[in-house]
Amino acid sequence: RKEVEQDPGPFNVPEGATVAFNCTYSNSASQSFFWYRQDCRKEPKLLMSVYSSGNEDGRFTAQLNRASQYISLLIRDSKLSDSATYLCVVNDGGNTGFQKLVFGTGTRLLVSP
Amino acid sequence: DADVTQTPRNRITKTGKRIMLECSQTKGHDRMYWYRQDPGLGLRLIYYSFDVKDINKGEISDGYSVSRQAQAKFSLSLESAIPNQTALYFCATSDWGEGQPQHFGDGTRLSIL
Repeated sequence: RKEVEQDPGPFNVPEGATVAFNCTYSNSASQSFFWYRQDCRKEPKLLMSVYSSGNEDGRFTAQLNRASQYISLLIRDSKLSDSATYLCVVNDGGNTGFQKLVFGTGTRLLVSP
Repeated sequence: DADVTQTPRNRITKTGKRIMLECSQTKGHDRMYWYRQDPGLGLRLIYYSFDVKDINKGEISDGYSVSRQAQAKFSLSLESAIPNQTALYFCATSDWGEGQPQHFGDGTRLSIL
């Protein structure tokens, strides 16, 4: 089993649609979680951290379910500029302070006019 | 100016050549990382450094070496490049503490013929 698994997509949605991405992770001791966005041939950029209580940043909502080892990202009112690959990232370093980030392979989103 | 700068941005070279990729940062972070990214695979950690005197191997360190010349500089070397080291290479930095995200440079696209 991969440490971090994501549906590779692509997800093709029209502008204005709501789209959800899911991610599962294998290490129950993982302590912190992130969603990154990566445009084609560009560097990954932090989209948002994922907190236990769930968190929202504008049109983006992240949820964490520790019992199921599952993370989600919801994008509302999709924009053309949201087209990118979304990486689920898990810190496997436990509570040692060490950051062993494990990256999923990404879910590709294509938003069309 | 970018906070994390990688040079060169692109490099084409031949098998057996020694290659050095450089990374410098102005974020003042102690932690620095080198990753490679291949199509269909998540980012994989090559080496990481928590400070100038600390160097650690990641999951795929064979065929690579690193040097942490200063807090702001972390170089990756391929002593004798081989074609399967063709990939997109990223440098990243992070601050201390649990839950700190990593910040990536623009990447170096390396092709080995």
